Amino acid sequence: KQEVTQIPAALSVPEGENLVLNCSFTDSAIYNLQWFRQDPGKGLTSLLLIQSSQREQTSGRLNASLDKSSGRSTLYIAASQPGDSATYLCAVSRRGSTLGRLYFGRGTQLTVWP
Amino acid sequence: GAGVSQTPSNKVTEKGKYVELRCDPISGHTALYWYRQSLGQGPEFLIYFQGTGAADDSGLPNDRFFAVRPEGSVSTLKIQRTERGDSAVYLCASSSRTDNEQFFGPGTRLTVL
Repeated sequence: KQEVTQIPAALSVPEGENLVLNCSFTDSAIYNLQWFRQDPGKGLTSLLLIQSSQREQTSGRLNASLDKSSGRSTLYIAASQPGDSATYLCAVSRRGSTLGRLYFGRGTQLTVWP
Repeated sequence: GAGVSQTPSNKVTEKGKYVELRCDPISGHTALYWYRQSLGQGPEFLIYFQGTGAADDSGLPNDRFFAVRPEGSVSTLKIQRTERGDSAVYLCASSSRTDNEQFFGPGTRLTVL
């Protein structure tokens, strides 16, 4: 079974800091990895999708990397802003018969204060 | 264009009652997914459809849970004889293909009293 772990569980930083959020997974036979943002009481917003053949993806101030062999992904947030405050979730899909299913971590709750 | 929509946004019911939760996917998306999220947890997979058929329903917790997608667009998640442990946020997602990026709706918060 695929287990996804996110560290740290919570993070509180002042505005302007560069951040790294970590995600690890137990089964390296992933198809893709997706990072999401979730605001309180809301659904999930897709941030970045990395295919298993890729090593990183960038969108604005966000950069996600993938190392399949070590079972890790990191989400780098540059020059953090209070509007970045949310819970960040990592999810992976596995190759094979369960391809459509995403396995989620519990998330990292980020607070950026002015 | 319009994203994934879910109705109702909130549902309060009594233990033992039957509930239906609806999901409207992004137009043209053939794959549709249901997840359940409890407080402080990541979403847990329930079922996904490719077209009208359930491609993987192994996440449904028991036979009280059932989902349909009769015309390959709108889906309904049905829960019979609700229990307090069913209280959670039920999330729906869709994608253009099974292996593509999933886009989520705002969720339905179900509370069973």
